[in-house]
Order: sequence, then C-alpha cells, then structure tokens
Amino acid sequence: AQSVTQLGSHVSVSEGALVLLRCNYSSSVPPYLFWYVQYPNQGLQLLLKYTTGATLVKGINGFEAEFKKSETSFHLTKPSAHMSDAAEYFCAVSGASGTALIFGKGTTLSVSS
Amino acid sequence: GAVVSQHPSWVICKSGTSVKIECRSLDFQATTMFWYRQFPKQSLMLMATSNEGSKATYEQGVEKDKFLINHASLTLSTLTVTSAHPEDSSFYICSARVTGIDTEAFFGQGTRLTVV
Repeated sequence: AQSVTQLGSHVSVSEGALVLLRCNYSSSVPPYLFWYVQYPNQGLQLLLKYTTGATLVKGINGFEAEFKKSETSFHLTKPSAHMSDAAEYFCAVSGASGTALIFGKGTTLSVSS
Repeated sequence: GAVVSQHPSWVICKSGTSVKIECRSLDFQATTMFWYRQFPKQSLMLMATSNEGSKATYEQGVEKDKFLINHASLTLSTLTVTSAHPEDSSFYICSARVTGIDTEAFFGQGTRLTVV
C-alpha cells in the first residue's frame, strides 16, 4: 500500500523568497515520486519525477526535489518564488508496472508581492 | 511528452440523465488508464483502473453501476455517469501510463461536470 502526506495545506511566501513544500511518502515497494502543479479548473502539469538514480531531481520552472529514502521524504523547493508560481501543488507516489498514482491532499502556494 | 485528450472539458446536465466522458491517448498506446475525481479544493481520489479489453477495477466506495467505465481500445477509455445527481458534480480527470515506458503518468485536461 502507498500513501502520501503533504505537510501544510497552505504555504505563503513573498516574491523572491524560498519555496519549500513538504511531502512524505509510505510505500511497500521502491517508489516512483512525482510533483504536479494544478491551476484553477485545469489538469495537472508534471513538475518533476524521481524514478531511480540521482536523488536530486531538477524540474521545470526552477523547481527541484530531493529523494531521501531514510526520511521517506520528497520535498519540493525553488530558490526564488515568482507570482506565477501561485497554484495548487500535489505530491504523488506510485509503484512500477502501470499502477495508479496516489496523491497527497495538496498544498496551496500563495505568493505575495 | 505524450498527450492525453479528455472531452468534454465541461458539461452541464439535468438530474437523471447520463453523461459520457472520453479519454484518448493521442500519440501512444495506453494499456491502463485511470479515472480520478476531484472535489473543490481537494485532492484527486482514484475511482477506478481501466484495462483495455477487460473490466475496470473500482476503488472501495465507488459505485460501479453509477460510474461505468469502458476501455475498448488501447487509445480510448470512457467514463459514463449514469442517472446523474447534483452530488455527482465534480471535476473528473483521466490518466494514462505509457505501455513499455512505465515511469510517468499523463493526465487529461479534466472535465467539469455540473448536474442541475
């Protein structure tokens, strides 16, 4: 069984500040981990993913995440927030072989000027 | 990346009628597709897993007679909400994983269903 916990349903930062969105996972098999962003009334856009190999993963729009197996974490960071980063962010986990992604409850990121 | 097209993007229907939502993989074959439901400001909840040529597997608590899923080909899965009621109003999103490239899931644009 797999699950995802996103700590903090709402994160507020100032433009230019560090963004840190937290994600912890539980998985009985080696996990595949994902971060998605969703804008209102739209589908999901993949930011980045971890499958195997390098534990520091770089994604689009300056985001990156680090897979830490010992901490069962996959936190998302961005050095400098931009107003356009304001959106809903979802962390997800899956096993291999075509299984469904299981999503966390999401974190709303607000960016103020 | 691969493209998943979901249609319609929004639909309004009357209580008691049925609505069909289509999910197509445009440039790849998807052995498995997934249907999710998302309530306002909430996460995506997996409803069912759809396998081409076989019956869908529903998650616990999902009414299989209300949410009919058909996956007749490697590029098309459909979700039919039967005898819709206002409580079925939600955002429905489909997803597909690429056969043979099993590390990423691609998502449709979602369908906003409003039952009046």
